[in-house]
Amino acid sequence: QSALTQPASVSGSPGQSITISCTGTSSDVGGYNYVSWYQQHPGKAPKLMIYDVSNRPSGVSNRFSGSKSGNTASLTISGLQAEDEADYYCSSYTSSRLNWVFGGGTKLTVL
Amino acid sequence: EVQLVESGGGLVKPGGSLRLSCAASGFTFSSYSMNWVRQAPGKGLEWVSSISSSSSYIYYADSVKGRFTISRDNAKNSLYLQMNSLRAEDTAVYYCARGAGGYTHFDYWGQGTLVTVSS
Repeated sequence: QSALTQPASVSGSPGQSITISCTGTSSDVGGYNYVSWYQQHPGKAPKLMIYDVSNRPSGVSNRFSGSKSGNTASLTISGLQAEDEADYYCSSYTSSRLNWVFGGGTKLTVL
Repeated sequence: EVQLVESGGGLVKPGGSLRLSCAASGFTFSSYSMNWVRQAPGKGLEWVSSISSSSSYIYYADSVKGRFTISRDNAKNSLYLQMNSLRAEDTAVYYCARGAGGYTHFDYWGQGTLVTVSS
């Protein structure tokens, strides 16, 4: 069982927007603005998409945005494109012994 | 261009040992913390271990504490993971990842190396 809870799957049609949630506790997501999101295509390495809740690294499309409310963080992808189909993982710094925790991952299907 | 290239994976019997390496290039290796993150087949990501830029601070997940040792050689731009007393549940792709933002996230990842623990 992962430390952070994500929906197993989400789907959307091209051009639509989707949101992936990531729920933790006050020891991780709720306690620090250190939530990050990673995109992983099959057989590939993860790629950083969002860091520190809502910051985008250089080169990442502005269709990707992040936010947080209480113990739940969210990743929103607007204007869905076929290339967005991938697994998405959230991560957070945690004050518990784990130090960094990941969500179980969400498979995004673009219909 | 930042590049991280892992090596050293393979098939090992339960109770055996393996040493993973990660060769870094394209950035000042000695200025960044480094990490190992693993992914069991068909499963999600799991943070394994982190080491600060000067090796002063080292952290491990409870699942590997006492069995794995992280280290780095800044002169060789290399990161290592010595894995002892391997178990079947250690079977995974092991990724080397650069730490950023003062440990808040992992901004570059290698392509991974597969470790299979099986008799």
